[in-house]
Amino acid sequence: QSALTQPASVSASPGQSITISCTGTSSDVGAYNYVSWYQQHPGKAPKLMIYDVTNRPSGVSNRFSGSKSGNTASLTISGLQAEDEADYYCSSYTSSSNYVIFGGGTKLTVV
Amino acid sequence: EVQLVESGGNLVQPGGSLRLSCAASGFTFSNSAMSWVRQAPGKGLEWVSVISGSGGSTYYADSVKGRFTISRDNFMNTLYLQMSSLRVEDTAVYYCARALAGDGSYRYYYMDVWGKGITITVSS
Repeated sequence: QSALTQPASVSASPGQSITISCTGTSSDVGAYNYVSWYQQHPGKAPKLMIYDVTNRPSGVSNRFSGSKSGNTASLTISGLQAEDEADYYCSSYTSSSNYVIFGGGTKLTVV
Repeated sequence: EVQLVESGGNLVQPGGSLRLSCAASGFTFSNSAMSWVRQAPGKGLEWVSVISGSGGSTYYADSVKGRFTISRDNFMNTLYLQMSSLRVEDTAVYYCARALAGDGSYRYYYMDVWGKGITITVSS
Protein backbone atom coordinates (compact mmCIF):
# COMPACT_ATOMS: atom_id res chain seq x y z
CA GLN A 1 0.00 0.00 0.00
CA SER A 2 1.58 3.29 -1.10
CA ALA A 3 1.57 6.31 1.15
CA LEU A 4 -0.97 9.04 0.62
CA THR A 5 0.28 11.74 -1.75
CA GLN A 6 1.08 15.19 -0.41
CA PRO A 7 3.04 18.06 -1.94
CA ALA A 8 6.59 18.08 -0.65
CA SER A 9 6.52 21.74 0.27
CA VAL A 10 4.40 24.86 0.35
CA SER A 11 5.28 28.40 1.29
CA ALA A 12 3.38 31.57 1.99
CA SER A 13 3.63 34.85 3.84
CA PRO A 14 2.26 35.62 7.30
CA GLY A 15 -1.45 36.37 7.20
CA GLN A 16 -2.05 34.41 4.01
CA SER A 17 -3.90 31.12 3.68
CA ILE A 18 -2.63 27.84 2.33
CA THR A 19 -4.15 24.47 1.49
CA ILE A 20 -2.30 21.17 1.63
CA SER A 21 -3.75 18.33 -0.37
CA CYS A 22 -3.67 14.63 0.50
CA THR A 23 -4.60 12.23 -2.27
CA GLY A 24 -5.46 8.62 -1.63
CA THR A 25 -7.65 6.01 -3.22
CA SER A 26 -11.10 4.49 -2.98
CA SER A 27 -9.68 2.14 -0.34
CA ASP A 28 -8.77 4.86 2.11
CA VAL A 29 -9.50 8.60 1.80
CA GLY A 30 -12.31 8.08 -0.69
CA ALA A 31 -13.97 5.31 1.27
CA TYR A 32 -14.06 6.64 4.81
CA ASN A 33 -14.32 9.89 6.70
CA TYR A 34 -11.36 8.75 8.76
CA VAL A 35 -8.72 11.29 7.79
CA SER A 36 -6.50 13.03 10.30
CA TRP A 37 -3.79 15.68 10.10
CA TYR A 38 -0.70 16.16 12.24
CA GLN A 39 1.72 19.04 12.74
CA GLN A 40 5.34 18.25 13.57
CA HIS A 41 8.00 20.76 14.50
CA PRO A 42 11.66 19.69 14.15
CA GLY A 43 12.73 17.28 16.84
CA LYS A 44 9.26 17.15 18.36
CA ALA A 45 6.48 14.60 18.47
CA PRO A 46 3.56 15.03 16.08
CA LYS A 47 0.51 16.96 17.25
CA LEU A 48 -3.03 16.08 16.19
CA MET A 49 -4.66 18.98 14.34
CA ILE A 50 -7.71 17.46 12.60
CA TYR A 51 -9.57 14.14 12.86
CA ASP A 52 -12.58 12.63 11.11
CA VAL A 53 -11.81 14.92 8.13
CA THR A 54 -13.14 18.13 9.68
CA ASN A 55 -12.99 17.96 13.48
CA ARG A 56 -10.53 19.99 15.56
CA PRO A 57 -9.36 18.71 18.94
CA SER A 58 -9.81 21.03 21.87
CA GLY A 59 -7.06 23.63 21.94
CA VAL A 60 -6.33 23.64 18.22
CA SER A 61 -6.80 27.04 16.61
CA ASN A 62 -9.83 27.52 14.38
CA ARG A 63 -7.40 28.78 11.75
CA PHE A 64 -6.95 25.10 10.92
CA SER A 65 -9.71 23.38 8.97
CA GLY A 66 -10.12 20.14 7.05
CA SER A 67 -12.22 18.99 4.14
CA LYS A 68 -12.52 16.15 1.66
CA SER A 69 -13.69 15.65 -1.89
CA GLY A 70 -13.57 12.22 -3.44
CA ASN A 71 -10.15 10.66 -2.89
CA THR A 72 -8.52 13.92 -1.82
CA ALA A 73 -8.49 15.46 1.63
CA SER A 74 -7.25 18.96 2.35
CA LEU A 75 -5.92 20.94 5.28
CA THR A 76 -6.37 24.70 5.13
CA ILE A 77 -4.51 27.08 7.40
CA SER A 78 -5.74 30.66 7.39
CA GLY A 79 -4.03 33.74 8.79
CA LEU A 80 -0.62 32.09 8.68
CA GLN A 81 1.65 32.72 11.62
CA ALA A 82 5.36 32.10 12.04
CA GLU A 83 4.71 29.25 14.47
CA ASP A 84 2.74 27.39 11.82
CA GLU A 85 6.02 26.64 10.05
CA ALA A 86 6.33 22.87 10.43
CA ASP A 87 5.85 19.56 8.67
CA TYR A 88 2.26 18.43 8.14
CA TYR A 89 1.15 14.84 7.65
CA CYS A 90 -2.20 13.43 6.64
CA SER A 91 -3.31 9.97 7.63
CA SER A 92 -6.23 7.71 6.81
CA TYR A 93 -7.75 4.46 7.81
CA THR A 94 -7.45 1.99 4.95
CA SER A 95 -9.29 -1.19 4.12
CA SER A 96 -6.00 -2.63 2.91
CA SER A 97 -3.93 -4.87 5.16
CA ASN A 98 -2.01 -1.85 6.46
CA TYR A 99 -4.94 -0.48 8.52
CA VAL A 100 -3.53 3.09 8.72
CA ILE A 101 -1.42 4.95 6.19
CA PHE A 102 0.31 8.34 6.30
CA GLY A 103 1.12 10.83 3.62
CA GLY A 104 4.73 11.61 2.83
CA GLY A 105 4.50 14.96 4.62
CA THR A 106 4.48 18.60 3.52
CA LYS A 107 6.98 21.15 4.73
CA LEU A 108 5.28 24.49 5.30
CA THR A 109 7.51 27.54 5.18
CA VAL A 110 6.17 30.87 6.39
CA VAL A 111 8.32 33.51 4.73
CA GLU B 1 -1.33 15.28 33.19
CA VAL B 2 -1.69 12.83 30.34
CA GLN B 3 1.74 11.40 29.59
CA LEU B 4 3.42 8.67 27.59
CA VAL B 5 7.08 7.79 28.15
CA GLU B 6 8.93 5.36 25.90
CA SER B 7 11.95 3.34 26.95
CA GLY B 8 14.09 0.48 25.69
CA GLY B 9 15.75 2.16 22.75
CA ASN B 10 19.17 0.96 21.76
CA LEU B 11 21.67 0.04 19.10
CA VAL B 12 21.07 -3.51 17.86
CA GLN B 13 22.60 -5.63 15.12
CA PRO B 14 20.61 -6.73 12.09
CA GLY B 15 18.69 -9.87 12.90
CA GLY B 16 18.55 -8.97 16.56
CA SER B 17 15.63 -8.35 18.91
CA LEU B 18 14.52 -5.52 21.14
CA ARG B 19 11.51 -4.71 23.31
CA LEU B 20 10.17 -1.19 23.64
CA SER B 21 8.02 -0.09 26.56
CA CYS B 22 5.68 2.85 26.93
CA ALA B 23 4.50 3.90 30.39
CA ALA B 24 1.16 5.68 30.41
CA SER B 25 -0.27 7.99 33.06
CA GLY B 26 -3.02 10.55 33.50
CA PHE B 27 -5.80 8.63 31.74
CA THR B 28 -7.62 5.30 31.97
CA PHE B 29 -5.15 3.16 30.10
CA SER B 30 -7.29 0.03 29.95
CA ASN B 31 -10.04 1.94 28.10
CA SER B 32 -7.65 3.25 25.45
CA ALA B 33 -6.38 1.71 22.25
CA MET B 34 -2.67 2.34 21.77
CA SER B 35 -0.43 2.60 18.73
CA TRP B 36 3.20 2.67 17.71
CA VAL B 37 4.30 5.03 14.94
CA ARG B 38 7.87 5.36 13.68
CA GLN B 39 9.92 7.89 11.77
CA ALA B 40 13.14 6.98 10.00
CA PRO B 41 15.87 9.63 10.03
CA GLY B 42 14.86 12.51 7.76
CA LYS B 43 11.73 10.67 6.63
CA GLY B 44 8.00 10.83 7.21
CA LEU B 45 5.76 9.11 9.71
CA GLU B 46 4.96 5.42 9.33
CA TRP B 47 2.20 3.71 11.27
CA VAL B 48 3.42 0.44 12.82
CA SER B 49 0.74 -1.18 14.94
CA VAL B 50 -2.36 -0.71 17.11
CA ILE B 51 -3.86 -2.68 19.99
CA SER B 52 -7.34 -2.34 21.46
CA GLY B 53 -7.89 -1.43 25.08
CA SER B 54 -8.50 -5.01 26.12
CA GLY B 55 -5.61 -6.27 24.04
CA GLY B 56 -7.95 -8.55 22.13
CA SER B 57 -7.43 -6.91 18.75
CA THR B 58 -4.14 -6.08 17.11
CA TYR B 59 -3.18 -4.80 13.66
CA TYR B 60 0.19 -4.34 11.98
CA ALA B 61 1.73 -2.60 9.00
CA ASP B 62 2.78 -5.00 6.28
CA SER B 63 6.39 -3.89 6.77
CA VAL B 64 6.55 -5.35 10.30
CA LYS B 65 3.97 -8.12 10.17
CA GLY B 66 5.38 -11.38 11.47
CA ARG B 67 8.39 -9.65 13.05
CA PHE B 68 6.87 -7.22 15.57
CA THR B 69 4.36 -7.98 18.32
CA ILE B 70 2.35 -5.33 20.16
CA SER B 71 1.06 -6.11 23.64
CA ARG B 72 -0.03 -4.37 26.82
CA ASP B 73 -0.23 -4.80 30.57
CA ASN B 74 -3.31 -2.96 31.81
CA PHE B 75 -2.30 -3.49 35.45
CA MET B 76 1.04 -1.81 34.87
CA ASN B 77 -0.37 0.80 32.44
CA THR B 78 2.33 -0.17 29.98
CA LEU B 79 2.42 -0.76 26.24
CA TYR B 80 5.06 -2.93 24.59
CA LEU B 81 6.50 -3.53 21.16
CA GLN B 82 8.54 -6.71 20.79
CA MET B 83 10.72 -6.40 17.72
CA SER B 84 12.59 -9.33 16.21
CA SER B 85 14.47 -10.07 12.99
CA LEU B 86 15.39 -6.41 12.95
CA ARG B 87 16.55 -4.84 9.72
CA VAL B 88 18.59 -1.74 8.96
CA GLU B 89 15.41 -0.16 7.61
CA ASP B 90 13.77 -0.46 11.04
CA THR B 91 16.10 2.29 12.26
CA ALA B 92 13.81 5.09 13.41
CA VAL B 93 12.38 7.08 16.24
CA TYR B 94 9.50 5.06 17.64
CA TYR B 95 6.54 6.93 19.10
CA CYS B 96 3.95 5.51 21.44
CA ALA B 97 0.53 7.14 21.03
CA ARG B 98 -3.02 6.85 22.27
CA ALA B 99 -5.26 5.79 19.41
CA LEU B 100 -8.87 6.87 18.99
CA ALA B 101 -11.61 5.53 16.76
CA GLY B 102 -13.33 7.32 13.96
CA ASP B 103 -16.83 8.49 14.74
CA GLY B 104 -19.14 5.57 15.22
CA SER B 105 -16.53 2.93 14.50
CA TYR B 106 -13.96 0.67 16.10
CA ARG B 107 -11.29 1.82 13.66
CA TYR B 108 -8.56 3.21 15.89
CA TYR B 109 -6.87 5.31 13.28
CA TYR B 110 -5.91 8.66 14.78
CA MET B 111 -3.57 9.52 17.66
CA ASP B 112 -4.26 12.33 20.10
CA VAL B 113 -1.52 11.87 22.72
CA TRP B 114 2.08 11.12 21.79
CA GLY B 115 5.23 10.26 23.67
CA LYS B 116 8.49 12.04 22.94
CA GLY B 117 9.83 9.05 21.06
CA ILE B 118 12.72 6.63 21.47
CA THR B 119 15.51 5.95 19.01
CA ILE B 120 16.21 2.49 17.65
CA THR B 121 19.33 2.01 15.54
CA VAL B 122 19.84 -1.24 13.65
CA SER B 123 23.40 -1.45 12.44
CA SER B 124 26.36 -3.81 12.37
